[in-house]
Amino acid sequence: DSGVTQTPKHLITATGQRVTLRCSPRSGDLSVYWYQQSLDQGLQFLIQYYNGEERAKGNILERFSAQQFPDLHSELNLSSLELGDSALYFCASSVEGGGLEQYFGPGTRLTVT
Amino acid sequence: AQSVTQLGSHVSVSEGALVLLRCNYSSSVPPYLFWYVQYPNQGLQLLLKYTSAATLVKGINGFEAEFKKSETSFHLTKPSAHMSDAAEYFCAVSDGRSSASKIIFGSGTRLSIRP
Repeated sequence: DSGVTQTPKHLITATGQRVTLRCSPRSGDLSVYWYQQSLDQGLQFLIQYYNGEERAKGNILERFSAQQFPDLHSELNLSSLELGDSALYFCASSVEGGGLEQYFGPGTRLTVT
Repeated sequence: AQSVTQLGSHVSVSEGALVLLRCNYSSSVPPYLFWYVQYPNQGLQLLLKYTSAATLVKGINGFEAEFKKSETSFHLTKPSAHMSDAAEYFCAVSDGRSSASKIIFGSGTRLSIRP
């Protein structure tokens, strides 16, 4: 158990819908990262937050957004969903940024039908 | 920019045989290097990390990796494979030390163990 929690574990929704994925980092970790993992694209970095502020952006679509709240939990919002958005979405956390090791949650499996 | 290349998307070894998973990083020496493991239907778990303190790094589950600057490599090894080692393994590198630094993951190597 990494100490990072993600909800929900599974999510099935239809195209065009909007969903919110939630992540609670390990106690004491200030940085939260979001990743998308699919069979064809592998593990893709989406976005990083550090103590409530966006710090780095990766291959995140404009239809996707995220935020980190004062209690340090984070949410990833996915809107206007397409079939291709079906994937595993992982949250990871680290003590700070700085390229230090990240601890991953169990992931949310999103299926868009 | 930092990058990692994992040679071989799939490696198959017999139980009890040596496991060798290859990883090469880009030419500039990175601050940190990592190996992660992902078991089916689970998140990634840190196996070991290199932080320049020692070139031979020991991790969990009997794995170790050696940093070789001359070869820009950070290969993962285990002397004797167990069935429970079957998983996907990711080599990763940090792209800096600032608070905005990221970890860049390789494309992964799926390890299968033959009985």
